[in-house]
Amino acid sequence: AAGVIQSPRHLIKEKRETATLKCYPIPRHDTVYWYQQGPGQDPQFLISFYEKMQSDKGSIPDRFSAQQFSDYHSELNMSSLELGDSALYFCASSERPGLAGFEQYFGPGTRLTVT
Amino acid sequence: KNQVEQSPQSLIILEGKNCTLQCNYTVSPFSNLRWYKQDTGRGPVSLTIMTFSENTKSNGRYTATLDADTKQSSLHITASQLSDSASYICVVSYGGATNKLIFGTGTLLAVQP
Repeated sequence: AAGVIQSPRHLIKEKRETATLKCYPIPRHDTVYWYQQGPGQDPQFLISFYEKMQSDKGSIPDRFSAQQFSDYHSELNMSSLELGDSALYFCASSERPGLAGFEQYFGPGTRLTVT
Repeated sequence: KNQVEQSPQSLIILEGKNCTLQCNYTVSPFSNLRWYKQDTGRGPVSLTIMTFSENTKSNGRYTATLDADTKQSSLHITASQLSDSASYICVVSYGGATNKLIFGTGTLLAVQP
C-alpha cells in the first residue's frame, strides 16, 4: 500500500539559510499534518491543512510557513534557520480531520541539520 | 493542562518474554487513544486506536487496554521479538473536530536475545 512520502530524507543547511520540506500524502487523503521532533523529545504539532486550507495551527514559528497544493501535497518552508531547528520533521496524512477513528499515517520524516 | 505520561521510560526484556507498558493521560475532551511504534529515525507506525467506548483492542501480539474512568491505558506485548525493539508512544487525540494529538514521551523497549 502507498505510504506518506517525504523529501528530502536528509537535509543539511547553515544558519540563516532557508529550507523547503515536501510531503506527499497517501492517495485520497485530503488532510496533512506537520510535526517537529527534537532529539529525545516527542513530536510537536506545527500545522495542518484540510482541502488546501489551513485547518489548525500549533507551535509553528513565524519563520516557518506551509501550504497545501491542488494535488494535496504540502510544503513546509523554513527561513532564517537556527541551530534549534535541527530536528526530525514528520508529515502525516488522514482522510478527514477530527473524526474519531480517522488515523493519521506518518511519513518516514526529514532529518534537518542546521550547522 | 493536557498531558500524557508513560512508564517506564525504558525497559529491557529477553526475547520471548511478555511486557506491559503504561500510559496515563489528562486530556479533555478525549477523542481517542492510539499506540504507535517508532523505530529510531523513522516515522511512528500505528498499532491500535481506541475510542471512549472500547476497553481492549488487539493487533497481533500487541494488545491495548483502555480504562476511560481512570484515564489509563496499557500496551501488552506477547512473546517479544528482537524486532519489537523501538520506542512505543501513547498518543491521545482531543478536541473532537480538530483531531489534535498529545504525544507521550514514549517507552524505549530493548529486546535482547
